[in-house]
Amino acid sequence: AQTVTQSQPEMSVQEAETVTLSCTYDTSENNYYLFWYKQPPSRQMILVIRQEAYKQQNATENRFSVNFQKAAKSFSLKISDSQLGDTAMYFCVEGTSYGKLTFGQGTILTVHP
Amino acid sequence: NAGVTQTPKFQVLKTGQSMTLQCAQDMNHNSMYWYRQDPGMGLRLIYYSASEGTTDKGEVPNGYNVSRLNKREFSLRLESAAPSQTSVYFCASTPGGVSYNEQFFGPGTRLTVL
Repeated sequence: AQTVTQSQPEMSVQEAETVTLSCTYDTSENNYYLFWYKQPPSRQMILVIRQEAYKQQNATENRFSVNFQKAAKSFSLKISDSQLGDTAMYFCVEGTSYGKLTFGQGTILTVHP
Repeated sequence: NAGVTQTPKFQVLKTGQSMTLQCAQDMNHNSMYWYRQDPGMGLRLIYYSASEGTTDKGEVPNGYNVSRLNKREFSLRLESAAPSQTSVYFCASTPGGVSYNEQFFGPGTRLTVL
């Protein structure tokens, strides 16, 4: 069974600053992928970034980047130059066969002006 | 393209009543999923359909049934609703085949069981 743990229920950051959200996972799968999804107050789920577990290079997507430590089963998200629109619940997610997703509990991020 | 659509958006049921949540996607995706999200938590997989004609249980299938009506539509049925099924329900779809594909989510259905 897969488990995903986000130990930070809430985080806050000032606009334009950098914040890092933490995530650890435990999986028995050899072939898996990791994602960060955001859920703003509108409730819509939006993909932020994805990481192939077999790749050592960390994924980046504009202001969003990850620090993937496979041996430690750690997958953190760094948001640079935070914007008010980044305010949302962020979920760390593991994807395995047939696209089955396992979600963490989520971290509520608030960006202050 | 509408993406993934869900009906209804809100529903209130009494304990023991039944209902069907509808989901449709217009992206020609092979795989479809039903999740539930309880307050302050992540989504949990109820059932999924890897391809048309197949369905499988996810993490929390008890109390639910599903039907993959065709490639576009995937419905979730509550035969006898219970207060523990009060939740927000999300449908999602993906092209299928590999696990790194992005899943596209519908807007959700907020269900309250009294």
